[in-house]
Amino acid sequence: GENVEQHPSTLSVQEGDSAVIKCTYSDSASNYFPWYKQELGKGPQLIIDIRSNVGEKKDQRIAVTLNKTAKHFSLHITETQPEDSAVYFCAARVEGGSEKLVFGKGTKLTVNP
Amino acid sequence: DAGVIQSPRHEVTEMGQEVTLRCKPISGHDYLFWYRQTMMRGLELLIYFNNNVPIDDSGMPEDRFSAKMPNASFSTLKIQPSEPRDSAVYFCASSVRSEKLFFGSGTQLSVL
Repeated sequence: GENVEQHPSTLSVQEGDSAVIKCTYSDSASNYFPWYKQELGKGPQLIIDIRSNVGEKKDQRIAVTLNKTAKHFSLHITETQPEDSAVYFCAARVEGGSEKLVFGKGTKLTVNP
Repeated sequence: DAGVIQSPRHEVTEMGQEVTLRCKPISGHDYLFWYRQTMMRGLELLIYFNNNVPIDDSGMPEDRFSAKMPNASFSTLKIQPSEPRDSAVYFCASSVRSEKLFFGSGTQLSVL
């Protein structure tokens, strides 16, 4: 089955800096890659996703890139703010196949003011 | 819409007791997922339903775990008997056509 590896497990940046979180997946058939943000005491919330027919997607300060050949995808947050502090999860799934969404172990991002 | 509603928010029980976690999905959503979150294993999918029918329960750890979805607006996850290693945060999520998942706030379970 699918296996998703996520790095780093913790990341600390200064406010205004950029943050990058990287994930690799094992199943070459995976074609849907969402990112979720989890704040303390809450459930994960989708912040951006990308499908395999696209190499990059942006939404304001957040961008995701996908390299299907290397089977890795990354989340980029620019101009970080203290409210970006949270745990971020990447995930992968084969659309049209099993509906299982397999998550990475998460990255705890701390943005220092 | 109030989102996915889970109850209770916190549950403390003793080993051997039965535990029932409850979930009300978002109205109109046809998929419901149960996840378990621990520090060691991250977010694990336990079981998911489509139109109230269990589709894949391969993530259910043992026969002590069972899940039901008697109608489109309610699901339960039961652990009987509970063990200390079941301590975790249990999330319910719902979606339309298994696309964007909407998670509840979770149930923090502690088995002493």
